[in-house]
Amino acid sequence: NAGVTQTPKFQVLKTGQSMTLQCAQDMNHNSMYWYRQDPGMGLRLIYYSASEGTTDKGEVPNGYNVSRLNKREFSLRLESAAPSQTSVYFCASSEAFWDTQYFGPGTRLTVL
Amino acid sequence: QKEVEQNSGPLSVPEGAIASLNCTYSDRGSQSFFWYRQYSGKSPELIMFIYSNGDKEDGRFTAQLNKASQYVSLLIRDSQPSDSATYLCAGADGLTFGKGTHLIIQP
Repeated sequence: NAGVTQTPKFQVLKTGQSMTLQCAQDMNHNSMYWYRQDPGMGLRLIYYSASEGTTDKGEVPNGYNVSRLNKREFSLRLESAAPSQTSVYFCASSEAFWDTQYFGPGTRLTVL
Repeated sequence: QKEVEQNSGPLSVPEGAIASLNCTYSDRGSQSFFWYRQYSGKSPELIMFIYSNGDKEDGRFTAQLNKASQYVSLLIRDSQPSDSATYLCAGADGLTFGKGTHLIIQP
């Protein structure tokens, strides 16, 4: 039982490049979330999926897109990376919407 | 926008003392709250969930919710160096976390 897994753990991009962050959970949770965490800013919600087949914007969605591929997987895509997107990205899941969240280990992204 | 506010700290507490962490919220309709702990370089993990007025105790941790005053607190008794971390507060019916309070337990 791996919980929530994220790939990759580290990534360096050049401005304008695109990439997809992958997230998967094996707890049969209905809801999944993507956050970014910057020093002094706490956790900020980018997008969430309350249930399979639905996605909604969070506090800071600009520059990102998401796909809830199936119940297990929720990916985050940066179409044209910018230095302002340098951050640590966390994926989380919960059994019901905004129930106790279980977090993945995070992806540390640097955009040059 | 439902807001959750925390003092970012750092809050420095001697080992063995009580650490008191506070969180205020803007939405009077908020019913319940989570406290998460995050060690440096790690992901957040749940410490406590409180959904009713008053206190909830779990080992050395006590969560307190005061709906009239719109604050929720976390007390850590007999603080240990291993309690040094950032503590995040989140409303259970909003979509925001507080920015977190950085707690340092001094040996």
